[in-house]
Amino acid sequence: AQSVTQLGSHVSVSEGALVLLRCNYSSSVPPYLFWYVQYPNQGLQLLLKYTTGATLVKGINGFEAEFKKSETSFHLTKPSAHMSDAAEYFCAVILQPGSARQLTFGSGTQLTVLP
Amino acid sequence: DTGVSQDPRHKITKRGQNVTFRCDPISEHNRLYWYRQTLGQGPEFLTYFQNEAQLEKSRLLSDRFSAERPKGSFSTLEIQRTEQGDSAMYLCASSLGQGAYNEQFFGPGTRLTVL
Repeated sequence: AQSVTQLGSHVSVSEGALVLLRCNYSSSVPPYLFWYVQYPNQGLQLLLKYTTGATLVKGINGFEAEFKKSETSFHLTKPSAHMSDAAEYFCAVILQPGSARQLTFGSGTQLTVLP
Repeated sequence: DTGVSQDPRHKITKRGQNVTFRCDPISEHNRLYWYRQTLGQGPEFLTYFQNEAQLEKSRLLSDRFSAERPKGSFSTLEIQRTEQGDSAMYLCASSLGQGAYNEQFFGPGTRLTVL
């Protein structure tokens, strides 16, 4: 069963436009939710996370995401895209905070920013 | 603190050969994870160490794979009798696990190509 679904393997936006990357999860209990960014030939970098508390979370580089339990979603947004935002973005969850707490990732969304 | 390092960054091998990868986590991080990322997919969990103990292994980790963390510091991942399907990026991550969630910091990965 797919635990994390990212709609759109490729998204293109113009510089200055809104960025919206979609993520839905399937879990019977609220998971911990994350967005990571991966630049070419680099490791994954954490953008933001939701564990508990406020459902709108702000991350680095102007990104934010909102946890919507009723929609089982955790979409990533940025009001104005910059050329440097071009990268691959991964949504991830920790389904149950058990002993390992390993991340389960979506298949990723490649973001292209057009001049 | 220089982050998580992995060696080598790239490895090309012939089918049937054995390969070994090394991961040096952030010092004092007691948790260490190995993930595998194939082209166009998100990383998939392989195995997890807490200190020197290997506490969890994914079903992806066949008998040809073995991982160690002998002194609770660096870790090695060995693949015996490599197959073309083993071609992937192997990512290591570490965290300081003292609660329900602790951020995993990722290394740059080792890209394996099996000819």
